[in-house]
Amino acid sequence: QVHLVESGGGVVQPGRSLRLSCAASGLTFSSYAMHWVRQAPGKGLQCVGVISYDGNKKYYADSVKGRFTISRDNSKNTLYLQMNSLRAEDTAVYYCVRDDGNGYNSLDYWGQGTLVTVSS
Amino acid sequence: DVVMTQSPLSLPVTLGQSASISCRSSQSLVYSDGNTYLNWFQQRPGQSPRRLIYKVSNRDSGVPDRFSGSGSGTDFTLKISKVEAEDVGVYYCMQGAHWPPTFGQGTKVEIK
Repeated sequence: QVHLVESGGGVVQPGRSLRLSCAASGLTFSSYAMHWVRQAPGKGLQCVGVISYDGNKKYYADSVKGRFTISRDNSKNTLYLQMNSLRAEDTAVYYCVRDDGNGYNSLDYWGQGTLVTVSS
Repeated sequence: DVVMTQSPLSLPVTLGQSASISCRSSQSLVYSDGNTYLNWFQQRPGQSPRRLIYKVSNRDSGVPDRFSGSGSGTDFTLKISKVEAEDVGVYYCMQGAHWPPTFGQGTKVEIK
């Protein structure tokens, strides 16, 4: 059973940084691309970015490009999201999501999410 | 970015009746490999999204067969036949053919 557990969320002031982690189990983590998707309170879903299975390719949404960095440690089965220069509009639940590799941007399993609140 | 437009945004349904959700994309979702990358997700209250349908009409493992997806090009539909109480939640379509993947606004399904 695939299990994705995000952590690292919390309250942070505008302009500061935060790093999220996602611990994966029940899958061969190093075989799958992974996505970060966020959901502002009471709002819809927005893709933040994706990292290839080996970490060599990364793509980001324009709204976070240059501020957020996705990385992974396949030896630890862990995905990361480094968030810098945070803004109030980055307030959201952040989900880590597996890409099942069955085509393009084929998101299947989601974690339970971790809430990031950007506020002074 | 590809804009995904769902309708209706709110859908009250009687238990046992059918429900349909429409999703339209601003560009064709047919990728160069010939596949159409349109998915449907269910988000129950207080839960993470769960994928129901991938590539237009393929049900994920464990998804009841009362859920079905159809469509082509830019016009897609999710149908729920014989709605049950556990189907309450918000349903999202999502395209994966173009970067970044984008979601519809969501359709809230509730019981009348």
